[in-house]
Amino acid sequence: EAQVTQNPRYLITVTGKKLTVTCSQNMNHEYMSWYRQDPGLGLRQIYYSMNVEVTDKGDVPEGYKVSRKEKRNFPLILESPSPNQTSLYFCASRRTASYEQYFGPGTRLTVT
Amino acid sequence: GEDVEQSLFLSVREGDSSVINCTYTDSSSTYLYWYKQEPGAGLQLLTYIFSNMDMKQDQRLTVLLNKKDKHLSLRIADTQTGDSAIYFCAEYGGANNLFFGTGTRLTVIP
Repeated sequence: EAQVTQNPRYLITVTGKKLTVTCSQNMNHEYMSWYRQDPGLGLRQIYYSMNVEVTDKGDVPEGYKVSRKEKRNFPLILESPSPNQTSLYFCASRRTASYEQYFGPGTRLTVT
Repeated sequence: GEDVEQSLFLSVREGDSSVINCTYTDSSSTYLYWYKQEPGAGLQLLTYIFSNMDMKQDQRLTVLLNKKDKHLSLRIADTQTGDSAIYFCAEYGGANNLFFGTGTRLTVIP
């Protein structure tokens, strides 16, 4: 089944403790993105990647890092999480030649 | 980012039609999307329309695009309780970015 998967789905952590949220897609998509969803703000893009080893900032990149060492994986790294990063995070992917973007199931992160 | 606006709530009776509206600001947007988010779930791509189209129909879904007014709507015919969800309008902003509205929570009353 073609899909975007994220792990973990739920995570509660403390301020300053480094964490990684994984994202994987099995559709051989070139483009991958990370978004965060906050009440009343819709979804905002954090980082995106056009292909392996090619990443760039989105609208709200502060406090986040990403890497794209393999085409299928696009992990989101929070080196020192803070409470304002408590949010629902979505990974998404699409093919270069398509404008259909597919989303993962989301990761709900709480930073205390 | 771009400003994509939607009303926050809509209630309809089961069997009626629902119309969810959206306004966007970037007249150069090439694609406009509707996504559905059910409770605790990710975003499901419902449909999308290319900017050179006025209308797109897919079973119970009809998308209307008024480019002059930068207005997009999603009509759901014969709305069912399973249609209760949050619906997001989004415009393609380049650089693999979608600009989303705040979402419209549709409640279907049996």
